Amino acid sequence: GAVVSQHPSRVICKSGTSVKIECRSLDFQATTMFWYRQFPKKSLMLMATSNEGSKATYEQGVEKDKFLINHASLTLSTLTVTSAHPEDSSFYICSARRVGDSYNEQFFGPGTRLTVL
Amino acid sequence: ILNVEQSPQSLHVQEGDSTNFTCSFPSSNFYALHWYRWETAKSPEALFVMTLNGDEKKKGRISATLNTKEGYSYLYIKGSQPEDSATYLCAFRVGGTSYGKLTFGQGTILTVHP
Repeated sequence: GAVVSQHPSRVICKSGTSVKIECRSLDFQATTMFWYRQFPKKSLMLMATSNEGSKATYEQGVEKDKFLINHASLTLSTLTVTSAHPEDSSFYICSARRVGDSYNEQFFGPGTRLTVL
Repeated sequence: ILNVEQSPQSLHVQEGDSTNFTCSFPSSNFYALHWYRWETAKSPEALFVMTLNGDEKKKGRISATLNTKEGYSYLYIKGSQPEDSATYLCAFRVGGTSYGKLTFGQGTILTVHP
């Protein structure tokens, strides 16, 4: 149990386009989902926290108008990179916290590699 | 800004060797320390959630210890196998937040050679 999927796994787009990444909890309900970004040889950096039905909480330095997060249901959160530029190229990974779990264990998706040309 | 450090950054061992690596974290306002194993092209897999000073947890050949007073956790792998090759991540959670924000170290890349 506790499987999280992400789609797409890899995307290449042109500069100026918007890209949507989906994060789904397949066999559990997630009160909270997290979006991380990983730069080469760096740790996972939290971008934002989303709770179902409410606005996402963004970390300092993350542009909320650039990285739009929607958490419409207990099993789906989406991250939209708007007007993507080459500097947005990165590895994006989501995680989900299961309803009722203590100590906030997070279950991760496999990530999405975004390349902006 | 919370500082979570892992060492070494990478490690090469022979099959059958035992190995260990370290995660250092702030010693104040501790809530939990998580360990994950991350194999290439897969999702990070939760290994342990450690919450109490002196905690020791074990899962097969992998075990972990926790010292919250001095701010470190060790992960041990006994009799390493090639399938143990992965990046091992630790993540620290402070107390007082309601949504479980984790701060990750940069990981230790383990390669086990047959």
